[in-house]
Amino acid sequence: DVKVTQSSRYLVKRTGEKVFLECVQDMDHENMFWYRQDPGLGLRLIYFSYDVKMKEKGDIPEGYSVSREKKERFSLILESASTNQTSMYLCASSLLLGYTEAFFGQGTRLTVV
Amino acid sequence: AQTVTQSQPEMSVQEAETVTLSCTYDTSESDYYLFWYKQPPSRQMILVIRQEAYKQQNATENRFSVNFQKAAKSFSLKISDSQLGDAAMYFCAYRKTGNQFYFGTGTSLTVIP
Repeated sequence: DVKVTQSSRYLVKRTGEKVFLECVQDMDHENMFWYRQDPGLGLRLIYFSYDVKMKEKGDIPEGYSVSREKKERFSLILESASTNQTSMYLCASSLLLGYTEAFFGQGTRLTVV
Repeated sequence: AQTVTQSQPEMSVQEAETVTLSCTYDTSESDYYLFWYKQPPSRQMILVIRQEAYKQQNATENRFSVNFQKAAKSFSLKISDSQLGDAAMYFCAYRKTGNQFYFGTGTSLTVIP
């Protein structure tokens, strides 16, 4: 079974802190994604990556950056956390091509105080 | 950017009854994939069913089936013999191969015993 693991289930951080959210997948998927989930807004794409060291901005990249140094790991970085970044963050991975779905991690509930 | 619309924020169904969740999407592509995902409360997002656009036959997975109307750009999910464990948030998603996934805003399904 594909496994996508996010490093934390719950996080509480202070305003202005630099925050790292880590995601690891074990199925050699080329694509990895970071989504933000808010009530009534669904899943909004922050960044995605289709290869090591490659990244593409999604719909809401402001205030975030990402890192993909190894194929299995995709990190989301909040450079200076703000209260409006309090949200559920979902990591996902998929094959680049073909008839394939995205596999999701369990999510990280981030609260910025 | 492609858009996916779920016009029913909340739905309810009596246990053992049938419910249909609606989804429409906007695209100019002819070859793409559509998905329904389920997110139980505080649990991981999982795939329910998927459909390739070039296949005319509607996908089915046990009690779950879709009504795919390509010309109308409609992709509804039918849940038959609803069970308490079906209670969840359901997301419709679109993907053109190699690209990102686009998600709707979700439908919260309540199953009434």
